[in-house]
Amino acid sequence: AQSVTQLGSHVSVSEGALVLLRCNYSSSVPPYLFWYVQYPNQGLQLLLKYTSAATLVKGINGFEAEFKKSETSFHLTKPSAHMSDAAEYFCAVSDLPDSWGKFQFGAGTQVVVTP
Amino acid sequence: GAVVSQHPSRVICKSGTSVKIECRSLDFQATTMFWYRQFPKQSLMLMATSNEGSKATYEQGVEKDKFLINHASLTLSTLTVTSAHPEDSSFYICSASSGARGEQYFGPGTRLTVT
Repeated sequence: AQSVTQLGSHVSVSEGALVLLRCNYSSSVPPYLFWYVQYPNQGLQLLLKYTSAATLVKGINGFEAEFKKSETSFHLTKPSAHMSDAAEYFCAVSDLPDSWGKFQFGAGTQVVVTP
Repeated sequence: GAVVSQHPSRVICKSGTSVKIECRSLDFQATTMFWYRQFPKQSLMLMATSNEGSKATYEQGVEKDKFLINHASLTLSTLTVTSAHPEDSSFYICSASSGARGEQYFGPGTRLTVT
């Protein structure tokens, strides 16, 4: 069975500050890991994904995530927050690559960016 | 990226009635569609996977006779909540994939309220 845990349901960051969203996974097989962002009244948008090619994954909008097997983590970071980063972020694990398998999602982290 | 739409975006229905939610892939052929359910402040939970022209595969604990899924074409899947009860009130999200090596794209969700 696979699962992900997102630490912190709400994160507040100042504009220009580091964004760090934590995700830990549990998987009995090599995991495929994803980060999605959801803006109000919109569908989930893929930020980045780990499919075993490289442990440091760069995504859209300046986000990146590092896969650490020893820590079973896949934390999402962005060096400098923008107001437009305010959204809900979901970490997900799949049993198949390329995001077309079944996902197990984390509970989500709401990011608030303050001026 | 590809667009997936859902209709309606919000629906209120009386207890005991049925409601249908549509999920459409607007610019690609979706061989596989997924239906998720999201309770407030909780994860998206996968309900079922549907492949075009085949019966849907339901996750454990999801009543297939209550949540009827039809994937009759490569661009449309429908979820019908039959004999709805207040506990069925939730946010329903669909996603669509063009299959192997295809990305999974999410719809904006449908808010169902059963009174």
